[in-house]
Amino acid sequence: EIVLTQSPGTLSLSPGERATLSCRASQSVSSSYLAWYQQKPGQAPRLLIYGASSRATGIPDRFSGSGSGTDFTLTISRLEPEDFAVYYCQQYGSSPPGGFTFGPGTKVDIK
Amino acid sequence: QLQLQESGPGLVKPSETLSLTCTVSGGSISSSSYYWGWIRQPPGKGLEWIGSIYYSGSTYYNPSLKSRVTISVDTSKNQFSLKLSSVTAADTAVYYCARHGTVLLSFDIWGQGTMVTVSS
Repeated sequence: EIVLTQSPGTLSLSPGERATLSCRASQSVSSSYLAWYQQKPGQAPRLLIYGASSRATGIPDRFSGSGSGTDFTLTISRLEPEDFAVYYCQQYGSSPPGGFTFGPGTKVDIK
Repeated sequence: QLQLQESGPGLVKPSETLSLTCTVSGGSISSSSYYWGWIRQPPGKGLEWIGSIYYSGSTYYNPSLKSRVTISVDTSKNQFSLKLSSVTAADTAVYYCARHGTVLLSFDIWGQGTMVTVSS
């Protein structure tokens, strides 16, 4: 089973600053199968990035994804007040046992 | 637009079976391009995929839960359902239903979630 590790656990930043979130996999992940989600309190997660670098419908271009193999990054170029939330990475593993796993999340909070 | 809505009891007794249904509106569950999944989130914790189903009834499950999970689909009602047997307090969570593609393997549409508490 592929395990995802996210760092840092918490990122304290001010609006307008750049946020860089890391997602590391215990073994190589196909870039096609790496996604990022944003979750605000009391809400369902929202898909931000799929295929490691493609923005989902309606996602502002300040959000970008990059990476390959075992190291992936979500970057928020300039934090807006509504961006303070928890971010999860997710991978799909096609080889047995297969299925989806999520990282533990990175909380981006206001400094 | 497509919407998903979970429904079911909010309280389940230990050792009993948790049953939830997800109703799909604004589109057909019988699309050949998508699977329909269940994900849960214990209070204050992260996300855990439970399993997914195709409109044909084909399923795949999280190996850690497989022995206790059954996911089924009713295309006539545009619904799919989750059954989790022999529940314990560790199964207390918000349960989400969500859609993922057969090619784009990410969850692009989510229900609002429903809280299920396991307690006597």
